[in-house]
Amino acid sequence: DSGVTQTPKHLITATGQRVTLRCSPRSGDLSVYWYQQSLDQGLQFLIQYYNGEERAKGNILERFSAQQFPDLHSELNLSSLELGDSALYFCASSGGPAATDTQYFGPGTRLTVL
Amino acid sequence: GQNIDQPTEMTATEGAIVQINCTYQTSGFNGLFWYQQHAGEAPTFLSYNVLDGLEEKGRFSSFLSRSKGYSYLLLKELQMKDSASYLCAVRLGGSYIPTFGRGTSLIVHP
Repeated sequence: DSGVTQTPKHLITATGQRVTLRCSPRSGDLSVYWYQQSLDQGLQFLIQYYNGEERAKGNILERFSAQQFPDLHSELNLSSLELGDSALYFCASSGGPAATDTQYFGPGTRLTVL
Repeated sequence: GQNIDQPTEMTATEGAIVQINCTYQTSGFNGLFWYQQHAGEAPTFLSYNVLDGLEEKGRFSSFLSRSKGYSYLLLKELQMKDSASYLCAVRLGGSYIPTFGRGTSLIVHP
């Protein structure tokens, strides 16, 4: 158990819908990272927040957005969902923004878009 | 972009030793991670290398050669539970976000 929690574990929805995925980092960690993992793409970095502010952006679609709240939990919002958005979405956390920090991953949310 | 190359799949026998290689473009290198991921589960941290040499941690060891853009993960005394995907992830200077390889699926058979 990494100490990172994610909800829900599974999510099934239809195309065009909007969903919110939630992540709570390990106690004391200030950085939260979101990743998407699909069978054909591997683990792709989406976005990072550090202490409430966006820190780095990866291959995140405009239909996707995220935020980190004062209590440091984070939410990833996915809208206008498409079939291709079906994937595992992982949240990871680390103590700070620095290059030496190791990321610890949550159990993931499996999103299925029908 | 950063090319990180790992074999797609490897098989090995229980009790044996296996070496999983990872090569990457050396420009701006700033650290390399190995993660283990069982199917449908979260990646779990195994090792971090930023200097050349071998880091040993129980049955698992990780080696890095910065000049060659090369790393390997060595798994000894293989157990059935070691069957998993092994992800190599590289940090480039200026970005501390690691780029992940596609992973190597290791199958351990009796």
